[in-house]
Amino acid sequence: AQSVTQLGSHVSVSEGALVLLRCNYSSSVPPYLFWYVQYPNQGLQLLLKYTSAATLVKGINGFEAEFKKSETSFHLTKPSAHMRDAAEYFCAVSDRGYSTLTFGKGTMLLVSP
Amino acid sequence: GAGVSQSPSNKVTEKGKDVELRCDPISGHTALYWYRQSLGQGLEFLIYFQGNSAPDKSGLPSDRFSAERTGGSVSTLTIQRTQQEDSAVYLCASSLEEQISADQHFGDGTRLSIL
Repeated sequence: AQSVTQLGSHVSVSEGALVLLRCNYSSSVPPYLFWYVQYPNQGLQLLLKYTSAATLVKGINGFEAEFKKSETSFHLTKPSAHMRDAAEYFCAVSDRGYSTLTFGKGTMLLVSP
Repeated sequence: GAGVSQSPSNKVTEKGKDVELRCDPISGHTALYWYRQSLGQGLEFLIYFQGNSAPDKSGLPSDRFSAERTGGSVSTLTIQRTQQEDSAVYLCASSLEEQISADQHFGDGTRLSIL
């Protein structure tokens, strides 16, 4: 079974600083990878996904992620954090042959003024 | 357009009672998923529907949990004889098709609290 590990349950940045949220996956075959964001008391919203096309994927709200097969990583970045980026972020991988998602434990992003 | 709608948004019930959670997917979406989000376990897959069939129900934690989907649309998740460990947020998602790269659209969830 495929799995996802998110390093750091909490990440704190200052407004305007670089955001880096880490995600590593384990898979015996090329996976499909996703990043979702969850704001308080809301469901998950898709930020971006990797489906074996371009390795650098651009998403909504200025986020992007790079698939690195050699490092089995799919880290999420944003050049400059905004207060509105404060939320919980989940990395996920598709397995089971359907589009069922296996999620990481999540990383809470805290943005200070 | 309308997104995935879940009801109720909050449910508080006593241990041992049965509960039903409802999900209205986006119109035309053939695939529907249930997930559970809890503090200790994170986000866990429960069951997947393609139309009215459930090809994958491997995530249901016990036989107290069941789900059905009718008319290729509305789905209900039923938990019988609820236990305190069932307390969690239950999320529903739908996608236009079952392809592995299909975007899943999530509802806001039902927060279930078992007293």
